[in-house]
Amino acid sequence: AQTVTQSQPEMSVQEAETVTLSCTYDTSESDYYLFWYKQPPSRQMILVIRQEAYKQQNATENRFSVNFQKAAKSFSLKISDSQLGDAAMYFCAYRSGGGGADGLTFGKGTHLIIQP
Amino acid sequence: NAGVTQTPKFRVLKTGQSMTLLCAQDMNHEYMYWYRQDPGMGLRLIHYSVGEGTTAKGEVPDGYNVSRLKKQNFLLGLESAAPSQTSVYFCASRTGTAYTGELFFGEGSRLTVL
Repeated sequence: AQTVTQSQPEMSVQEAETVTLSCTYDTSESDYYLFWYKQPPSRQMILVIRQEAYKQQNATENRFSVNFQKAAKSFSLKISDSQLGDAAMYFCAYRSGGGGADGLTFGKGTHLIIQP
Repeated sequence: NAGVTQTPKFRVLKTGQSMTLLCAQDMNHEYMYWYRQDPGMGLRLIHYSVGEGTTAKGEVPDGYNVSRLKKQNFLLGLESAAPSQTSVYFCASRTGTAYTGELFFGEGSRLTVL
C-alpha cells in the first residue's frame, strides 16, 4: 500500500515571504498522480495543484509551485508571496495511475500559519 | 453550482444509536467516496463506489455500511454508533474518465458520539 508522509505538523511564515511544505511518498508504481489540497477553517477541501508522475516539468499555479523529485519520491509545495488567506491545513495526496477507481491516499497534513 | 452536498452538517448521537449521512452530487460522476478526518490523522477512506449498485471497502470500513441506489447519491450508515466514530466525514466524487483523478469534496459532516 502507498503511504504519504508530511513531516512538518506546523509551519509559520511572515506575510509576503516564501514557504515550502514537504511531502514524501512510498510507492512501487511508475504511473501515479500527486495532489496538494488546502483546507481552510471552513473545512472545505480545495485542490491547490496536481502533478502527473510522467511529466518531468513541475506544475505551477500562480503563486503555488511544486518541486517534484520522482527518484527521491518527494513532492514539496512552494507558496510564494504568502498571503493571510493562505493560512490553512495543507494535505499532500497520492493516487495510482491507470483507469482504476482508487481514492486518494492522504498525508496527515501541515498546519500553515501566516504571520501578519 | 451545488457540486457535492452532504446532509446533515452536524449531528450528535448517543452510543448505540443509528444514523445515515447522505451525499449527493450533481456532476454525473461515476465514482464516489466516503472519508473520515480525525486530528493528526489526515483523511482515511471508509468505503467507495464505482457506480450505481456497487460498493467497496476502503482503509477503515468497520462499523460502517454504504449504499448507492442512485448514481447521484451515496449513503453512509452507522448501525450502532460508538464514541470512536466521532469524526468529521467527507464525501467526494470524481469522473471515471479523467485520468488526473481530482476529487471534488463536500463541506463535511461533523458527528459526535457521546
